[in-house]
Amino acid sequence: QLQESGPGLVKPSETLSLTCAVSGGSFSSSRYYWAWIRQPPGKGLEWIGSIGSGGTAYKPSLKSRVTISADKSKNQFSLKLSSVTAADTAVYYCGREEGVNEHRIDYWGQGTLVTVSS
Amino acid sequence: SSELTQDPSVSVALGQTVRITCPGDSLSGYYASWYQQKPGQAPELVMYGENNRPSGIPDRFSGSSSGNTASLTITGAQAEDEADYYCNWRDSSGTYMIFGGGTKLTVL
Repeated sequence: QLQESGPGLVKPSETLSLTCAVSGGSFSSSRYYWAWIRQPPGKGLEWIGSIGSGGTAYKPSLKSRVTISADKSKNQFSLKLSSVTAADTAVYYCGREEGVNEHRIDYWGQGTLVTVSS
Repeated sequence: SSELTQDPSVSVALGQTVRITCPGDSLSGYYASWYQQKPGQAPELVMYGENNRPSGIPDRFSGSSSGNTASLTITGAQAEDEADYYCNWRDSSGTYMIFGGGTKLTVL
């Protein structure tokens, strides 16, 4: 299971910070990567980035503002998105990625809505 | 690499067959994955790899790919299949993932 947590309201220009708690024992496995995906209201899904044994990967257009980190001792990983604007308002999901050629996100959190507003 | 362009909406009569497509870059060696999302819910994986269904996904869902296009086929669509469907693909450099814009499936 994956569960997102963090503030639901962030002011413009500030940093959005979310955490995803992973239960079930797979977080320590090098088989998986751990991803953040977001969905603006009424719009489609956008992959933000992921972290795993090989390091991190980010969507190029967000790379300058995104940091994903992991805390194995707490079985959780985190997202930081800096200099947010209203365009960053979205439901943010965390997910478990598996596979390279047959990549998939096989487990998703329920999502958490983050609104950017003053 | 380019974003993945899906048809914004597709409709199918109850019990008929529908194919949802996802054209992308030339991505030899990589396969798309497909996600179903119903209103107010998180996406759910329904297809990945050459034609792999996660446990619990009905066998009316199948996947295929040809050249630069991946397809999700629902054979005998049911009312509960009405949802948004998203494809997801590794970019041609292999370094990050891209989602398609999504296809809203209506079952008539």
